[in-house]
Amino acid sequence: SSELTQDPAVSVALGQTVRITCQGDSVRSFSPSWYQQKPGQAPVLVIYGENNRPSGIPDRFSGSRSGNTASLTITGAQAADEADYYCGSRDRSDNHRVFGGGTKVTVL
Amino acid sequence: QVQLQESGPGLVKPSETLSLTCSVSGYSISSGHYWGWIRQTPAKGLEWIASIYYTGNTNYNPSLKSRVTMSVDTSKNQFSLKLTSVTAEDTAVYYCARERVLSYGYNFDSWGQGTLVTVSS
Repeated sequence: SSELTQDPAVSVALGQTVRITCQGDSVRSFSPSWYQQKPGQAPVLVIYGENNRPSGIPDRFSGSRSGNTASLTITGAQAADEADYYCGSRDRSDNHRVFGGGTKVTVL
Repeated sequence: QVQLQESGPGLVKPSETLSLTCSVSGYSISSGHYWGWIRQTPAKGLEWIASIYYTGNTNYNPSLKSRVTMSVDTSKNQFSLKLTSVTAEDTAVYYCARERVLSYGYNFDSWGQGTLVTVSS
């Protein structure tokens, strides 16, 4: 089955831009979704279908994909964006789902 | 607006069966979509367990397939998870979620609040 690889942690200065990446073979075929999770809360979908935002998600969140790497970009990071971010997708060859290991975003 | 709520025992003994139910409100399971279970531990992060369509078609995580059964009850607007022969490694927060299966990718667009299940004697 496919795996999705994320950097464990990244930091960003308040108001600056941060990019979180998700690498894996399945990314070549399927657009990952991105989830934000704050402590003690359930994950929340923030990006799907490469660059679609569910209702209520600020437009400072955007997604992109190139080759085997997908990215979630936060443009003008806010203190409220400090959270863990996970990518998720389906396996390239099987109808299974997989999540990345998560990236902890710290807003300085 | 769809809402999901997990229910079930918070403590399960080793070798026994973990049983959880997800109650859905604000949306009819029979209207479509897949419905899934995901668990989370500090060590392994988010782990997909299984997904089911309202017709009963299921997909299981290969690493758990031998121990997992997922079912749906459209009359109660609920779906359920059974995980047999549990060990301490099955201790986790278990989430139920609605899943959208699209041609370009899958995503879980609504989640329950999660329920902690501890496996211990």
